[in-house]
Amino acid sequence: AQKVTQAQTEISVVEKEDVTLDCVYETRDTTYYLFWYKQPPSGELVFLIRRNSFDEQNEISGRYSWNFQKSTSSFNFTITASQVVDSAVYFCALSGLSSNTGKLIFGQGTTLQVKP
Amino acid sequence: EAGVVQSPRYKIIEKKQPVAFWCNPISGHNTLYWYLQNLGQGPELLIRYENEEAVDDSQLPKDRFSAERLKGVDSTLKIQPAELGDSAVYLCASSRSGQGRTEAFFGQGTRLTVV
Repeated sequence: AQKVTQAQTEISVVEKEDVTLDCVYETRDTTYYLFWYKQPPSGELVFLIRRNSFDEQNEISGRYSWNFQKSTSSFNFTITASQVVDSAVYFCALSGLSSNTGKLIFGQGTTLQVKP
Repeated sequence: EAGVVQSPRYKIIEKKQPVAFWCNPISGHNTLYWYLQNLGQGPELLIRYENEEAVDDSQLPKDRFSAERLKGVDSTLKIQPAELGDSAVYLCASSRSGQGRTEAFFGQGTRLTVV
């Protein structure tokens, strides 16, 4: 079975603080894909990053960075110098290749509130 | 490039009434998904299309839900009759290909309230 766990339900930080959102996944697939999406109050899920299971290089995009560690089945997301506009619900998701459905398994989401 | 377009954005209906949602995917995207998102939870797949074919509808409650994707472009999702428990956000997404190899892009969703 495939599963994504985002243990942090809500996080509140003050602007300019760094914040890390945790994501732990379970899968028996050897080939799989991991995603992060942002859902602002408008409701649309905004794609942030896709990572395949063979690429453990960390990635940085502006204030965003992602730490993928297969040894601990984690794919954590860090926002550096947070801003009020970062306030949203963030979802981690998994898609296993062997299931052949392309189905995204989402975590429960982490609500991030950045206060001015 | 236009994103995934869904309509309506909001819908309020009485229980036992029918309701339909419409989705126009990103041009050139062969794969289309319908997801259900309950309050405070992550989206869950209802059905996935590869062009006109529904390749995964195992999570679709077929006694009251139906979907179609005519000509492999636009799609509609229907509920008949609606129940109180169907109140949720219905999200449509599309991607160039299935199997997770390419990212899925989501529409803004239709928030359904059944009273």
